[in-house]
Amino acid sequence: GQNIDQPTEMTATEGAIVQINCTYQTSGFNGLFWYQQHAGEAPTFLSYNVLDGLEEKGRFSSFLSRSKGYSYLLLKELQMKDSASYLCAGMDSNYQLIWGAGTKLIIKP
Amino acid sequence: GAVVSQHPSRVICKSGTSVKIECRSLDFQATTMFWYRQFPKQSLMLMATSNEGSKATYEQGVEKDKFLINHASLTLSTLTVTSAHPEDSSFYICSVGEKSYNEQFFGPGTRLTVL
Repeated sequence: GQNIDQPTEMTATEGAIVQINCTYQTSGFNGLFWYQQHAGEAPTFLSYNVLDGLEEKGRFSSFLSRSKGYSYLLLKELQMKDSASYLCAGMDSNYQLIWGAGTKLIIKP
Repeated sequence: GAVVSQHPSRVICKSGTSVKIECRSLDFQATTMFWYRQFPKQSLMLMATSNEGSKATYEQGVEKDKFLINHASLTLSTLTVTSAHPEDSSFYICSVGEKSYNEQFFGPGTRLTVL
């Protein structure tokens, strides 16, 4: 079956770095997405990886290892506004997104 | 990216009534729109794929007679929750994006509360 696993909740300190891990099992693979979702709002796109390696975009970076079925989202210089849920989603061979349950990130001053 | 709107943003209704939610793609001709439901502290659950000019494709376990989807144009899809019950209370989100597109653009969501 298809499955996305990510931690339920993480806590980090303002100004620090946090890494949110995601492992995936999909029928075929057409990429790995990370979305940010603030409470009561729709998800917003953060990153897309389809090749192995690290994609850097400002304070956020995303890494993919297809052989390990593994990705992580790295957030640097954490700000209070980064408190949100981070959703990992894998796209299968039918281009359908398989969603993880999300990781709630709590930032403390 | 595509700009997607939803209306209403929030609706409260009585049990047994029907509620229509609109999803509009403002700057992108969407032959495909996706409808998701999200319960508190849970991830997005795909309900159905809405195809312009044809019948929607429903995910397993989603009642097509209860959740009516109409995608009459390239810019508008509607989801009607018929005979709503309190357990239908949820956050309903639409998104647009072609199958081969490497991103989906989400609407702001509609919070449905059924009393």
